[in-house]
Amino acid sequence: GAVVSQHPSRVICKSGTSVKIECRSLDFQATTMFWYRQFPKQSLMLMATSNEGSKATYEQGVEKDKFLINHASLTLSTLTVTSAHPEDSSFYICSARTQQNRGTYTDTQYFGPGTRLTVL
Amino acid sequence: GDSVTQMEGPVTLSEEAFLTINCTYTATGYPSLFWYVQYPGEGLQLLLKATKADDKGSNKGFEATYRKETTSFHLEKGSVQVSDSAVYFCALRLYNFNKFYFGSGTKLNVKP
Repeated sequence: GAVVSQHPSRVICKSGTSVKIECRSLDFQATTMFWYRQFPKQSLMLMATSNEGSKATYEQGVEKDKFLINHASLTLSTLTVTSAHPEDSSFYICSARTQQNRGTYTDTQYFGPGTRLTVL
Repeated sequence: GDSVTQMEGPVTLSEEAFLTINCTYTATGYPSLFWYVQYPGEGLQLLLKATKADDKGSNKGFEATYRKETTSFHLEKGSVQVSDSAVYFCALRLYNFNKFYFGSGTKLNVKP
């Protein structure tokens, strides 16, 4: 089956620093990648959607200057948390999907294992 | 707006017990419905799906039927195993839209 990896799996950083999280589709081309944030005992909150070669589309309330997303290739998307603060501590999950013929989207998302960010 | 509501957990069952996790949805169109499972330390995996009313999705002994009249997609399994212990997420996607809506997740603990 399709595999999505994330790196790192866990990161601890000091307040004010920037952290980059990578999301890779290992055996398929991901025309679209999603970035979610998961709070304890809560649902996945969609942060942004990125299509390869295009600017990311951010959900309402998500600061685009704070959470920089780059989808430079069909197998890699990165999320950079800039000037991280303790309230940015969370579990970040990416997912990827492919595009079917005639511009329709597949139903299936393939999820990465997540990255635990702790900001001290 | 579009949303998914599922029962709060945790749900604790003994092995071989019957499982039901309730899920209801609100959608402006005609969504596809999904159940995802997240095992400890792993990413979400698609468990089953249904794309139109009255469809039944099934996988690994789990089933869910798309009920348009009650806007529900309850997850059921006749006999749970310890290995089914995980967090289960209900989700919807509107047709050809590039976005999924997830419920808050229900943690299932199965005791031997």
